[in-house]
Amino acid sequence: DIQMTQSPSSLSASVGDRVTITCQASEDISNYLNWYQQKPGKAPKLLIYDASELETGVPSRFSGTGSGTDFTFTINNLQPEDIATYYCQQYDYLPLFTFGPGTTVDIK
Amino acid sequence: QVQLQESGPGLVKPSETLALTCTMSGGTISNYYWSWIRQPPGKGLEWIGHIYFSGTTTYNPSLKSRVTISVDTSKNEFSLKLRSVTAADTAVYYCARVIIAARPAYYSYVMDVWGQGTTVTVSS
Repeated sequence: DIQMTQSPSSLSASVGDRVTITCQASEDISNYLNWYQQKPGKAPKLLIYDASELETGVPSRFSGTGSGTDFTFTINNLQPEDIATYYCQQYDYLPLFTFGPGTTVDIK
Repeated sequence: QVQLQESGPGLVKPSETLALTCTMSGGTISNYYWSWIRQPPGKGLEWIGHIYFSGTTTYNPSLKSRVTISVDTSKNEFSLKLRSVTAADTAVYYCARVIIAARPAYYSYVMDVWGQGTTVTVSS
């Protein structure tokens, strides 16, 4: 089974900061990786698919890069409404899905 | 606009079967996978499994022995059954649509529409 790790598990940043989250797969997953945002008490929301493609309607301050085993999710110019937990998710050909453990972002 | 709504008992006794239904509105159930995901209190997301509209299922290996997902295309709904539940199965259960996108060399899968979630507590 492919295992996903994320770091850090939580972070605090100021409004306007750049925030970076990393996600690592235990084996090569090409670009089969999505990123979701989950606000407290709400369902997750798709932000990035195929590692770097921005979902329609998602602000351009969100971005993703990476391929293989190492991926990065970035929020440029952090806004108060970005307070949430962010999850990476990998999938295979079946498809079978695995979520990362999540990174909680809050405001200093 | 496609919407999903989970329904089912909020309380299930240990050793019994958890049964939930997800009703889809505003679209078609055809040509998509339909997935169940859960989130224990204060923890992360766990994919349970999904069903293609034709009835083909794929399950999380860690839950496979206890899970059945089925679909009723005439009612635009799909269902989850989780047998022999314990307190560890207490969670918010979400249903989601999985969209399939054909790329030049592979298929891409994303969960693009989610239900609001339903809380299930396992307790006697």
